[in-house]
Amino acid sequence: QTVVTQEPSLTVSPGGTVTLTCASSTGAVTSAYYPNWVQQKLGQAPRALIYSTRNKHPWTPARFSGSLLGGKAALTVSGVQPEDEADYYCLLNYGGTWVFGGGTRLTVL
Amino acid sequence: EVQLLESGGGLVQSGRSLRLSCAASGFNFDDYAIHWVRQGPGKGLEWVSGISWNSDSIGYADSVKGRFTVSRDNAKNSLYLQMNSLRSEDTALYYCVRRNWNGAFDVWGHGTMVTVST
Repeated sequence: QTVVTQEPSLTVSPGGTVTLTCASSTGAVTSAYYPNWVQQKLGQAPRALIYSTRNKHPWTPARFSGSLLGGKAALTVSGVQPEDEADYYCLLNYGGTWVFGGGTRLTVL
Repeated sequence: EVQLLESGGGLVQSGRSLRLSCAASGFNFDDYAIHWVRQGPGKGLEWVSGISWNSDSIGYADSVKGRFTVSRDNAKNSLYLQMNSLRSEDTALYYCVRRNWNGAFDVWGHGTMVTVST
């Protein structure tokens, strides 16, 4: 069974920079996994942030960026804002199926 | 406005069936793959199933394979999820999600709640 692993929680100060990662139990994550990142604030439906590793949606704030880092997919938030406090999930493609990571709860403190 | 609207959720006994629907509007439905994603109470997101624009390619999570069936009717701009042999662990908010040709899961519905009682 394929497992996608994310940091369970991270804390960052307002204005700081934080990187969330997404690892696959099958090996290094590449662009062929079409990494997606979604944000979910408390009580709300998820919202798409990044697709295909590093591409932003029209509504994605410029401070969010996606990349591949050390065999993992990564989401970096530069100049964190209080409204970035949320759960973040990565999503990877495995041929005909997709698997979400367990999510990272980002606290802005 | 691009929109996905789920319906059909409710309270059902363990072992019974339920059919969810997802109505699309504001875009050419038959240009996109559509997926179901669920979220149990207090839990993370779980990919459930996906179907290509022409129903040629269909996938399921191991947790639902053999019990759930996804289908679509492009003439009605609608996606369906037939859920049989429901279990308590299927209790979740079920979201309908659009996937673009470039791999982007870009539009999410607001979800429909399914509660399976034992």
